[in-house]
Amino acid sequence: AQKVTQAQTEISVVEKEDVTLDCVYETRDTTYYLFWYKQPPSGELVFLIRRNSFDEQNEISGRYSWNFQKSTSSFNFTITASQVVDSAVYFCALFSGGYNKLIFGAGTRLAVHP
Amino acid sequence: DAGVIQSPRHEVTEMGQEVTLRCKPISGHNSLFWYRQTMMRGLELLIYFNNNVPIDDSGMPEDRFSAKMPNASFSTLKIQPSEPRDSAVYFCASSPIRGYSNQPQHFGDGTRLSIL
Repeated sequence: AQKVTQAQTEISVVEKEDVTLDCVYETRDTTYYLFWYKQPPSGELVFLIRRNSFDEQNEISGRYSWNFQKSTSSFNFTITASQVVDSAVYFCALFSGGYNKLIFGAGTRLAVHP
Repeated sequence: DAGVIQSPRHEVTEMGQEVTLRCKPISGHNSLFWYRQTMMRGLELLIYFNNNVPIDDSGMPEDRFSAKMPNASFSTLKIQPSEPRDSAVYFCASSPIRGYSNQPQHFGDGTRLSIL
């Protein structure tokens, strides 16, 4: 079965705090891709990152970093020194060829307060 | 570069009316996807096209929903007749490679549909 679990429904932090959004996935495929999308209050979905199953290197992009661990089937997203503009719903998603569909998690709503 | 363009941004209509949502994918992208987002069910894939051909419509909720892609630069999602439970945000997305493959899907801004 294909499944993406984002156990944290809502997270609230104060500006400048670091915050980690968890994502756990399930798939039987050996080749798959993982994604993170951001949905700000304005409603659009913004692509953040793609990672394939053969690349377990962590990635850093400015204040954003991603930790991919196949051993625990996790693809966690950390925002360092959070800002109010980071307030959004963040979705983790899984694509694997066996199902040929992009499966989204339920999303984590992040609220960053000044 | 222009992103995925959806219209209208908002639609409010009465139950029983026909609703048509429109999407223009990013030029050169040959896969197009329609999603629905609701609080209860999250983001659901309704249908996707490769090279204008519908590949998987298993997510289409019922016969009241239909989607077409007459050419590479235009797609429609139609609901007829509409019902209040169809109220949701409908997203269109496109990607540059056949099927999902490993390329990210780029989403439009969505159409917020309210059926009264």
